[in-house]
Amino acid sequence: AQKITQTQPGMFVQEKEAVTLDCTYDTSDPSYGLFWYKQPSSGEMIFLIYQGSYDQQNATEGRYSLNFQKARKSANLVISASQLGDSAMYFCAMSTSNYQLIWGAGTKLIIKP
Amino acid sequence: DSGVTQTPKHLITATGQRVTLRCSPRSGDLSVYWYQQSLDQGLQFLIQYYNGEERAKGNILERFSAQQFPDLHSELNLSSLELGDSALYFCASSFTSDYNEQFFGPGTRLTVL
Repeated sequence: AQKITQTQPGMFVQEKEAVTLDCTYDTSDPSYGLFWYKQPSSGEMIFLIYQGSYDQQNATEGRYSLNFQKARKSANLVISASQLGDSAMYFCAMSTSNYQLIWGAGTKLIIKP
Repeated sequence: DSGVTQTPKHLITATGQRVTLRCSPRSGDLSVYWYQQSLDQGLQFLIQYYNGEERAKGNILERFSAQQFPDLHSELNLSSLELGDSALYFCASSFTSDYNEQFFGPGTRLTVL
């Protein structure tokens, strides 16, 4: 079965520290995509980063990078130099061969000043 | 601003009623997705349209229906509303239907009293 697992319901991190949000996935599709989204308290869903299953290099977007370990089926999000504005819910998602996005339960990240 | 618009922003209605949620995708995007986000069930994929045709169906109830019009805007119709239908309904769009990042609208918060 296709599934996304985010094992950290919540995290507290000191401002300016790096933070890693865990995501593991399960799929039998040879081709898939992995996404991270941020949902602040205001409610909107903001796309952060994408990794294709055949991409050789880990995706990076500014302070966000995706640590993709295909053999371990993990796609962890790394945020460098965290800021107060990074406090939000973070969702990992996977695109499937039947065009759906499968979502994890999310991790609530709180950045402490 | 993702470029995806949703109306209305908030909707309060009574059980048994019917409502229509509207979504305009980003300019150039052909795919529209509908999601429901409730507190107890997280983010649930409902349905996807690509260039006017239904492409994928998720956990959409029979009381719910959607369509995508020739101008690519989409409507989600919810009928015989129940208390449990109270949720945040997101529309997202992408250029194609395969493994592309989806850009989310601000959502419509539906409250059923």
